[in-house]
Amino acid sequence: AQSVAQPEDQVNVAEGNPLTVKCTYSVSGNPYLFWYVQYPNRGLQFLLKYITGDNLVKGSYGFEAEFNKSQTSFHLKKPSALVSDSALYFCAVRDRGFQKLVFGTGTRLLVSP
Amino acid sequence: DVKVTQSSRYLVKRTGEKVFLECVQDMDHENMFWYRQDPGLGLRLIYFSYDVKMKEKGDIPEGYSVSREKKERFSLILESASTNQTSMYLCASSPPGQRLNSPLHFGNGTRLTVT
Repeated sequence: AQSVAQPEDQVNVAEGNPLTVKCTYSVSGNPYLFWYVQYPNRGLQFLLKYITGDNLVKGSYGFEAEFNKSQTSFHLKKPSALVSDSALYFCAVRDRGFQKLVFGTGTRLLVSP
Repeated sequence: DVKVTQSSRYLVKRTGEKVFLECVQDMDHENMFWYRQDPGLGLRLIYFSYDVKMKEKGDIPEGYSVSREKKERFSLILESASTNQTSMYLCASSPPGQRLNSPLHFGNGTRLTVT
């Protein structure tokens, strides 16, 4: 069965500092991996995805994520955080051949001025 | 851009009422999904549909049913609402099955309170 773990409920970072939001996954085969962001009272917005190829994936709003197969991780990163990045972030995994997308429990990112 | 529209942003219903949550997408997507979102639990899949009149149970289908009479519309039905169904409900759509690397497109959610 597919599963995703986001070990941190909340991440705090000062504006201008680099940020990392952690995600590890478990699938039986090769994964499709996704990051979504949710702003207050809104649905989820797609940030980036890993399908195959380069382990460093670049996405929207300056975010990137690094796929590490040996550690089964897909951590979200940004070199310099903005206050407007404060939101709820979800990692998700889909096992190839399955329609179902499984989400983590979410990590709240708080960027202080 | 894909637009997924959920008919209500906020709903307040009484225990025992039958509740309909409506979702419409405008990109001719075959796949549609209903999730509920609860703090600390993330998103959990209730039901999904690959095509008109087709439906599949997700991880937590108990107490819910769905209807997909038209391709663009996917309805979630709470047959007899209970307080433990108070939650944020999110609808999503995606292109056909062979494009499994396509992201889901979400609506803005319906926050349902059952009193």
